[in-house]
Amino acid sequence: DVKVTQSSRYLVKRTGEKVFLECVQDMDHENMFWYRQDPGLGLRLIYFSYDVKMKEKGDIPEGYSVSREKKERFSLILESASTNQTSMYLCASRPIAGGRSEQYFGPGTRLTVT
Amino acid sequence: AQTVTQSQPEMSVQEAETVTLSCTYDTSESDYYLFWYKQPPSRQMILVIRQEAYKQQNATENRFSVNFQKAAKSFSLKISDSQLGDAAMYFCAYSGGSNYKLTFGKGTLLTVNP
Repeated sequence: DVKVTQSSRYLVKRTGEKVFLECVQDMDHENMFWYRQDPGLGLRLIYFSYDVKMKEKGDIPEGYSVSREKKERFSLILESASTNQTSMYLCASRPIAGGRSEQYFGPGTRLTVT
Repeated sequence: AQTVTQSQPEMSVQEAETVTLSCTYDTSESDYYLFWYKQPPSRQMILVIRQEAYKQQNATENRFSVNFQKAAKSFSLKISDSQLGDAAMYFCAYSGGSNYKLTFGKGTLLTVNP
């Protein structure tokens, strides 16, 4: 079974803190994704990586950065957390490029910024 | 840009009955894929069913089937013999043929009543 894990299920941080969300997949997938999920807005793509050290902006990259130093790990960084970044963050991975491939999701991290 | 619209924020169904969730999309591409993902209350998103646009035959996975109307750009999900475990948020998603991105709808929350 493909397994995508995220470092925390729940996280509470203060405004202005630097926040790291970690995602690890164990199936040697090339592509990895970070989404943000908000009620009534669905999932919105923040960043994705199609290979190690490669990244591209998604639809809402402002206020976020990412790092992918190893194939299995994709980190989302909030440089200076703000209250409007309170949300559910989902990581996903996919084995190959191309629209047909299924994305496999992690359990999500519920981030609260106070 | 591609858009995905789910017009039903919430739906409910009686156990053992059939329910249909609606999804429409907008695209100018000829090669694309459509997906239904399920997110149960535990939050792990999983793939329910996938449809290739070039296939005329509607996809089926056990109790789940789709009605794919390419000309109308409609992609509805039918759940037959609904079970309590079907209760979840359902997301319709679109991917272009060579694209990395999944574009999600805003989701439909399905309640199954015993």
